[in-house]
Amino acid sequence: DTAVSQTPKYLVTQMGNDKSIKCEQNLGHDTMYWYKQDSKKFLKIMFSYNNKELIINETVPNRFSPKSPDKAHLNLHINSLELGDSAVYFCASSPGTVSGNTIYFGEGSWLTVV
Amino acid sequence: ILNVEQSPQSLHVQEGDSTNFTCSFPSSNFYALHWYRWETAKSPEALFVMTLNGDEKKKGRISATLNTKEGYSYLYIKGSQPEDSATYLCASSPMDSSYKLIFGSGTRLLVRP
Repeated sequence: DTAVSQTPKYLVTQMGNDKSIKCEQNLGHDTMYWYKQDSKKFLKIMFSYNNKELIINETVPNRFSPKSPDKAHLNLHINSLELGDSAVYFCASSPGTVSGNTIYFGEGSWLTVV
Repeated sequence: ILNVEQSPQSLHVQEGDSTNFTCSFPSSNFYALHWYRWETAKSPEALFVMTLNGDEKKKGRISATLNTKEGYSYLYIKGSQPEDSATYLCASSPMDSSYKLIFGSGTRLLVRP
């Protein structure tokens, strides 16, 4: 069974559209994250939720809205998609803080905006 | 150092060679150092999490060391195999944000048979 699963894996969409990426973890972790792989290939944190509460919002445009219906799910909704939003988005989870705990990643969602 | 930096950016070695890479991080704001192995189109896979100065960890042919005072970590692979080909990422967890990992851009390793 996949520990952190995200869908869709590939998404091609037009500028201006609204799209969502879903994420689920079956590890029983309290904390979930969205990371974005930028054009220079760095993984950069976007959001972090702990027990459904937002704890990190890393100056992401407000077109990006995370939603955590329960602690096993963290979905990412993107409004009015722009060309620059094309990237690989990774969902992840951890059992609490990352200070001493491993983060478990999904396989990534490859978003292309045309 | 303000960010996490990794070197080299890429590395080609022959099967059987031993190799190592470097990760540098801000020592003034540090709590933990993570190493991940990442094959394209797969999930990054955790290798090690280290917090203590002088810490050494080992997993099979892969090992890592940590120097928190000078802000660097080394990852070593002994007797590289083609299946070791991947991107190796390090990430620092800063003291002032226990839910954040700051990643380097990775070292891409290619092991030729």
